[in-house]
Amino acid sequence: GQQLNQSPQSMFIQEGEDVSMNCTSSSIFNTWLWYKQDPGEGPVLLIALYKAGELTSNGRLTAQFGITRKDSFLNISASIPSDVGIYFCAGHPTGANNLFFGTGTRLTVIP
Amino acid sequence: GAGVSQSPSNKVTEKGKDVELRCDPISGHTALYWYRQSLGQGLEFLIYFQGNSAPDKSGLPSDRFSAERTGGSVSTLTIQRTQQEDSAVYLCASSDSRGYTQYFGPGTRLTVL
Repeated sequence: GQQLNQSPQSMFIQEGEDVSMNCTSSSIFNTWLWYKQDPGEGPVLLIALYKAGELTSNGRLTAQFGITRKDSFLNISASIPSDVGIYFCAGHPTGANNLFFGTGTRLTVIP
Repeated sequence: GAGVSQSPSNKVTEKGKDVELRCDPISGHTALYWYRQSLGQGLEFLIYFQGNSAPDKSGLPSDRFSAERTGGSVSTLTIQRTQQEDSAVYLCASSDSRGYTQYFGPGTRLTVL
């Protein structure tokens, strides 16, 4: 089956620090998406990437679709307490209808 | 506009009973997906509906699981003869016909005792 490796599994950072997390896949992906999930809620879309090499920002968040189409990263700058949550990468491999998800990065921001 | 809604938000049932979970997608979205999320895990694909096409059931874990979508809108996921390993959060998502960007509902937390 499809393998999506997301790292790190968890992060503890001080408020104001920058954060970086990434995802790699075993095959080529046509899209990469980054979601954030708060406890008891469904995942909320943060950034969507559709082309290899694409670099997209959404406020303090920046994500890139890797040139090999097998990886993506998400950066969060100047973290704040409300950034706490679990971040998931997801994507569509070629020919798939559904999204495949990474195992998540749990982010804790220490005020 | 309104997002994806799911009901109930929580369901506790006894082993062996049947359950039905409901999803109302975003108006105008032709694609609808069901996923399952076990505690501390990522999301596992279950089933996909696109318009009037036959659903992609490739992710359903057993024949106790089924889903239907009436009128191209509301969907119901049914789990028959529930087992304790069925306990999880069941998430529904919808997207437009291209399917690139999926929007999720809040989920139904199912607990099988």
